[in-house]
Amino acid sequence: SQQGEEDPQALSIQEGENATMNCSYKTSINNLQWYRQNSGRGLVHLILIRSNEREKHSGRLRVTLDTSKKSSSLLITASRAADTASYFCAPSGGSYIPTFGRGTSLIVHP
Amino acid sequence: KAGVTQTPRYLIKTRGQQVTLSCSPISGHRSVSWYQQTPGQGLQFLFEYFSETQRNKGNFPGRFSGRQFSNSRSEMNVSTLELGDSALYLCASSLFPTIGTDTQYFGPGTRLTVL
Repeated sequence: SQQGEEDPQALSIQEGENATMNCSYKTSINNLQWYRQNSGRGLVHLILIRSNEREKHSGRLRVTLDTSKKSSSLLITASRAADTASYFCAPSGGSYIPTFGRGTSLIVHP
Repeated sequence: KAGVTQTPRYLIKTRGQQVTLSCSPISGHRSVSWYQQTPGQGLQFLFEYFSETQRNKGNFPGRFSGRQFSNSRSEMNVSTLELGDSALYLCASSLFPTIGTDTQYFGPGTRLTVL
């Protein structure tokens, strides 16, 4: 298994701005998933991107994957106060076990 | 459909005791995974069960064990509790085993405090 590492660890923006967080990993993957966690609660699945995909959209979310750089990014456009949460990436390799990083803590100020 | 449920939501134990946590997956889901989340170590994979069989196990000591019943409900047990076991324990279910790259649906977690 391998662990994703999110960057930055913390991000503070104003409502309406875009938020970008990045994820790096070390070995080849089959897919990468992004999750959101509101304070002290369970994780909510956002997007799954497969290794043969480069970009995926879901509402205000845009995820990119660059397997040559072993990195992914999550862009949240026109952020809202309700987007305040921690965001985790989970790359899955040969064993397919999603292994989570420590997350990016996003605060969106109203 | 009801989501993943975990019981109890909060638990306080003392060192040396043992604890059992329960997870009921989404109806029809046969895969259940367990995770431990702490501020220091982040979110770490404990184990995964599918059709009552443990399919994958994370790097945790033997004090951590689990099982899955025929109705897909799962329990995890921690024996001889240590202070470092204080954490949020998350359960996730999916239709197929994670080896199928299926989306996992998480429960709200059980907050365990060891005194």
